[in-house]
Amino acid sequence: QVQLQESGPGLVKSSETLSLTCTVSGGSLTGYYCSWIRQPPGKGLEWIGFVYYSGSTSYNSSLKSRVTMSVDTSKDQFSLKLTSVTAADTAVYYCARHYYDGSSYSVWGRGTLVTVSS
Amino acid sequence: EIVMTQSPATLSVSPGERATLSCRASQSVSSKLAWYQQKPGQAPRLLIYGASTRATGIPARFSGSGSGTEFTLTISSLQSEDFAVYYCQQYNSWPPITFGQGTRLEIK
Repeated sequence: QVQLQESGPGLVKSSETLSLTCTVSGGSLTGYYCSWIRQPPGKGLEWIGFVYYSGSTSYNSSLKSRVTMSVDTSKDQFSLKLTSVTAADTAVYYCARHYYDGSSYSVWGRGTLVTVSS
Repeated sequence: EIVMTQSPATLSVSPGERATLSCRASQSVSSKLAWYQQKPGQAPRLLIYGASTRATGIPARFSGSGSGTEFTLTISSLQSEDFAVYYCQQYNSWPPITFGQGTRLEIK
């Protein structure tokens, strides 16, 4: 059974770069997409974007200037980088694996809380 | 960007009763609509995709209907474990993929 695990610093300073990794276990990332979705405390879900195993990407225009997603097939990992963070970027960050580009998400990681401090 | 609007924001229902949650899209999303359940401290769980297809392992008391811009999630007989927040998501027109703001289903 495939599992996803997000990892990275839980605390990032304002104006710095948030970096997270999503590791796939029990399955392959080949042929799959990975979406990143975030959820500010007590609020709803926001789609950040996705990366395909080949490296192609699609981002939410609201974050596009600050987001970079990548993939490392040798490590079965997808990555997210978000630059110039502010308190508004404080959220639980989830990764989700999916087979089609526009898709629902049946496989999610447990999420990781990232807090941006001043 | 397609805006997804869920109603009501909070729904109070007694166990054993039926719950009906609504989701409206600002433009047609065909049948590319999913529903998720989220409990505190957990990732969302896929319930319905393609507007009406139950995901693997989802009980039959959960059903989805609709197409175009109007969608409904119905829980036929509420169990204690069903009280949670529910989100709809459209994946027809992207980027961005968009979610509704959520409906909190609480015990009456």
